[in-house]
Amino acid sequence: EPEVTQTPSHQVTQMGQEVILRCVPISNHLYFYWYRQILGQKVEFLVSFYNNEISEKSEIFDDQFSVERPDGSNFTLKIRSTKLEDSAMYFCASSGRDRGQPQHFGDGTRLSIL
Amino acid sequence: GIQVEQSPPDLILQEGANSTLRCNFSDSVNNLQWFHQNPWGQLINLFYIPSGTKQNGRLSATTVATERYSLLYISSSQTTDSGVYFCAVLWAPYGNKLVFGAGTILRVKS
Repeated sequence: EPEVTQTPSHQVTQMGQEVILRCVPISNHLYFYWYRQILGQKVEFLVSFYNNEISEKSEIFDDQFSVERPDGSNFTLKIRSTKLEDSAMYFCASSGRDRGQPQHFGDGTRLSIL
Repeated sequence: GIQVEQSPPDLILQEGANSTLRCNFSDSVNNLQWFHQNPWGQLINLFYIPSGTKQNGRLSATTVATERYSLLYISSSQTTDSGVYFCAVLWAPYGNKLVFGAGTILRVKS
């Protein structure tokens, strides 16, 4: 079964540095997402991406964050000038053509800010 | 926004026991998914179930959309069932984001 893949599985970064999290969505999917889970808390939506642009973003997704689909397969989340509170598990997800289809999640990237 | 409430928040079972986890939501939804988060943090997709009943081995789920709730049944529990179970919904009138509940922490003892 096709799956969403994320790299790296764990990223350790100094506060203030930039970090890029990478995702390869399922190949025929059209909607792409990033979610975040701070340790011990529930999963929170960050941003959705469709047709090469952001379709929705949460209050968390401020100017520090950006997303990009640099080629036909990758989907990235960039965090500029990381803060301690950015430490979390970041999940990428993708879904098919129609709204409401199931979202398939990657295994996540655990981001630790020191 | 839509509210998603899961109960119970914590559950401890003896291996072999059965359990029912509940998810209540406050508005109409286009999608409902159940996930199991394992000890490594991975989110495993269990069911896509906006309505009706589905079964997969020892697990089954039922969503009654008109009454705004979903149930996840775990039968003959095993220690590997331990982890956090999340319900997530896609709110019908607005957007594509999944809204997650706070989860049920399940511990199965041998």
